[in-house]
Amino acid sequence: DAKTTQPPSMDCAEGRAANLPCNHSTISGNEYVYWYRQIHSQGPQYIIHGLKNNETNEMASLIITEDRKSSTLILPHATLRDTAVYYCIVRALLSSQGGSEKLVFGKGTKLTVNP
Amino acid sequence: DAGVTQSPTHLIKTRGQQVTLRCSPKSGHDTVSWYQQALGQGPQFIFQYYEEEERQRGNFPDRFSGHQFPNYSSELNVNALLLGDSALYLCASSLVITDTQYFGPGTRLTVL
Repeated sequence: DAKTTQPPSMDCAEGRAANLPCNHSTISGNEYVYWYRQIHSQGPQYIIHGLKNNETNEMASLIITEDRKSSTLILPHATLRDTAVYYCIVRALLSSQGGSEKLVFGKGTKLTVNP
Repeated sequence: DAGVTQSPTHLIKTRGQQVTLRCSPKSGHDTVSWYQQALGQGPQFIFQYYEEEERQRGNFPDRFSGHQFPNYSSELNVNALLLGDSALYLCASSLVITDTQYFGPGTRLTVL
């Protein structure tokens, strides 16, 4: 089962910041927070990940609370092309069985950017 | 730099048939994971290959099998297809050290 809770849907006006919340109250000390998004019928696209510090890249910013029990993905200037399902995933890096730990997807947040 | 590629894009099979899906990982990546995504659901982990061995497996029957080749590409085989196997099959690759998984565009399988 997914270890995260996200709102099922959100709306955002084009050009405004989109703030997508995620709760992960049972996160372990060695688990990272990952964000992916999936535009209809395409493969999920990696956005960003972090452990405890805030992270920023060319796509988005990730704000993780000090207790690490929740986080927010920020798209600073949403465009129509940002309409997608956004998945928040917590996972450790490496599996004890070798290789990388699998991704466990929940239902995600359907973000609709309106003109 | 080519990303993850999958073939074919779409596939239609009938119940009972067998299917093979293919994945070429992102350049430099050595780990391949396969996911199944039913309509309206999030992707579900099938299995992962690293160093040509199955390292982890999700809750899927033995009808689902795979292989990883020395060049790190991978195949997913599904035998005795059921209507419920209709889904988008996604391949993700990663370099075990850095570990971020990158997905391909998927193969849409329809079982009639």
